[in-house]
Amino acid sequence: QQQVKQSPQSLIVQKGGISIINCAYENTAFDYFPWYQQFPGKGPALLIAIRPDVSEKKEGRFTISFNKSAKQFSLHIMDSQPGDSATYFCAASDGTRKLIFGQGTELSVKP
Amino acid sequence: DTGVSQNPRHKITKRGQNVTFRCDPISEHNRLYWYRQTLGQGPEFLTYFQNEAQLEKSRLLSDRFSAERPKGSFSTLEIQRTEQGDSAMYLCASSLGGSSYNSPLHFGNGTRLTVT
Repeated sequence: QQQVKQSPQSLIVQKGGISIINCAYENTAFDYFPWYQQFPGKGPALLIAIRPDVSEKKEGRFTISFNKSAKQFSLHIMDSQPGDSATYFCAASDGTRKLIFGQGTELSVKP
Repeated sequence: DTGVSQNPRHKITKRGQNVTFRCDPISEHNRLYWYRQTLGQGPEFLTYFQNEAQLEKSRLLSDRFSAERPKGSFSTLEIQRTEQGDSAMYLCASSLGGSSYNSPLHFGNGTRLTVT
């Protein structure tokens, strides 16, 4: 079954701390793993994405770590800021271009 | 680049009524997707178009749902005989052709449907 499981459901981090969100997948045909950020009342916005041929991708304060053998990937937000408070979704797709989303993580960064 | 535009932003309707939502994708994007998002969940795929052709429909898309993209530009999603379980945020997304990595999905801000 094509599923993406995300944890934790919610996360509270102090300003300046590291936020870590994890995802696991089952379908080995998945070849694209994006993370989306969603603010209340808005649509999801692409944050960062990775292909399975690399183990890590970094863009500014955001890093994806990818473990192909374990079928897991994670998002790390360094130096977390109150403006990062949002809901984060991992997703995956195969050649169909259809995204399968995780259940979401509500991140709250306390000042 | 004005982004993906969805109208209306909110729709309240009584059970049994028909509703129609519109999506205007980013102008040069030939792929258009509809997703549904319920509170506290991730978006769920409903259907997608390449130009005017509807290439895939989810099993979530019951016979009461129909989507069109008549000229390969804007798209409409119609729900007939609405039920309370249809209450959700309906999201539209668009992308260029090519690989997912090089042409990611851009989402609109959605239409929130409330069925009373």
